[in-house]
Amino acid sequence: DAGVTQSPTHLIKTRGQQVTLRCSPISGHKSVSWYQQVLGQGPQFIFQYYEKEERGRGNFPDRFSARQFPNYSSELNVNALLLGDSALYLCASSLGLTATNEKLFFGSGTQLSVL
Amino acid sequence: GIQVEQSPPDLILQEGANSTLRCNFSDSVNNLQWFHQNPWGQLINLFYIPSGTKQNGRLSATTVATERYSLLYISSSQTTDSGVYFCAVLNTGFQKLVFGTGTRLLVSP
Repeated sequence: DAGVTQSPTHLIKTRGQQVTLRCSPISGHKSVSWYQQVLGQGPQFIFQYYEKEERGRGNFPDRFSARQFPNYSSELNVNALLLGDSALYLCASSLGLTATNEKLFFGSGTQLSVL
Repeated sequence: GIQVEQSPPDLILQEGANSTLRCNFSDSVNNLQWFHQNPWGQLINLFYIPSGTKQNGRLSATTVATERYSLLYISSSQTTDSGVYFCAVLNTGFQKLVFGTGTRLLVSP
């Protein structure tokens, strides 16, 4: 079975541009979460989606948005890119809504560089 | 919000040595996981361990929830163990994992 897949693996953008990152969860998993990892730090929670609805949001500006499709795949959009948005963006999937008694499984991430 | 601290921040070992990594958290949790991030950025889930002890090969983990800490033991370390180890906790209903600061491990041959 395939794990969590993310695309693209690397992306270079300039300030002010918009970017879309994609994630496909493990087959059967209905929950997708997005995390941002800045170099040298641990991942920080951005969003959780379950059954196509936003279920949680971290402390990120409105330039960050996401959605989940009927097949449970997800997209993360970032508008008006800033240099500080340069980071590794990680997608995680799990079976259910809550994380109690559940492991999260992460993709390999998308490395975004903003110049 | 909940705070997660890990120690030591950096660790250098010779191949074959044993090590203990520590994770302290500031509030009760209903989910605690240990991850290994390899040099390519992949986060590998090692343990789901909100309490008790688990073992998987050369790795084992213990969480003492009442005292708000968890330990990850690595025995007979190998060069492939190199990378960053993160502890992540959750104390809410949805999946906002809060990650610790990480322990960067380098195992030399």
